[in-house]
Amino acid sequence: AQSVTQLDSQVPVFEEAPVELRCNYSSSVSVYLFWYVQYPNQGLQLLLKYLSGSTLVKGINGFEAEFNKSQTSFHLRKPSVHISDTAEYFCAVSSQGGKLIFGQGTELSVKP
Amino acid sequence: NAGVTQTPKFQVLKTGQSMTLQCAQDMNHNSMYWYRQDPGMGLRLIYYSASEGTTDKGEVPNGYNVSRLNKREFSLRLESAAPSQTSVYFCASSRYAGTIDGGYTFGSGTRLTVV
Repeated sequence: AQSVTQLDSQVPVFEEAPVELRCNYSSSVSVYLFWYVQYPNQGLQLLLKYLSGSTLVKGINGFEAEFNKSQTSFHLRKPSVHISDTAEYFCAVSSQGGKLIFGQGTELSVKP
Repeated sequence: NAGVTQTPKFQVLKTGQSMTLQCAQDMNHNSMYWYRQDPGMGLRLIYYSASEGTTDKGEVPNGYNVSRLNKREFSLRLESAAPSQTSVYFCASSRYAGTIDGGYTFGSGTRLTVV
């Protein structure tokens, strides 16, 4: 069975600082990996996805993630965050023909 | 605007009452899903419909039923609401049952409180 673990429930950071949100997954088969963002009182929006190919994936709003198969990780990074990046971020995994399994979420709080 | 529409946005129920959460998508997607979101637990799949005419249980189906009314609409019913069903409910859709082509599109959610 597949599972996703987000290693930090809350990440406070100052504006313009870099940030990394950590995600580890477990799966016995090839996986597809996703990061979603949820702004307050809204639904989830797709930030980026890894399906195959280059292990460094770029998404919207300056975010990127790196797929590391040996460490079974898919950490999300941004070199300089803004106040508007304050949101909850979800890592998710799926296999071909499968359904999305979500992590517990990480609350990113950007302070001025 | 194209996307997934959920109604209602907010609802308060008394224990034992029933209600139906509505979901409709206008993207011609084949697959639709119902998740619940609880603090510290992420999103958990309740039921899904891979295509019109089919429904299957997800991770937490107990206490819920679903209907795939047509390709556009997928409703979630609580027959006898319990306080443990207090949650935020999200409907989502995707082009196919697999997520290879880009993941899901989510609605804005229904915040349900059972007292």
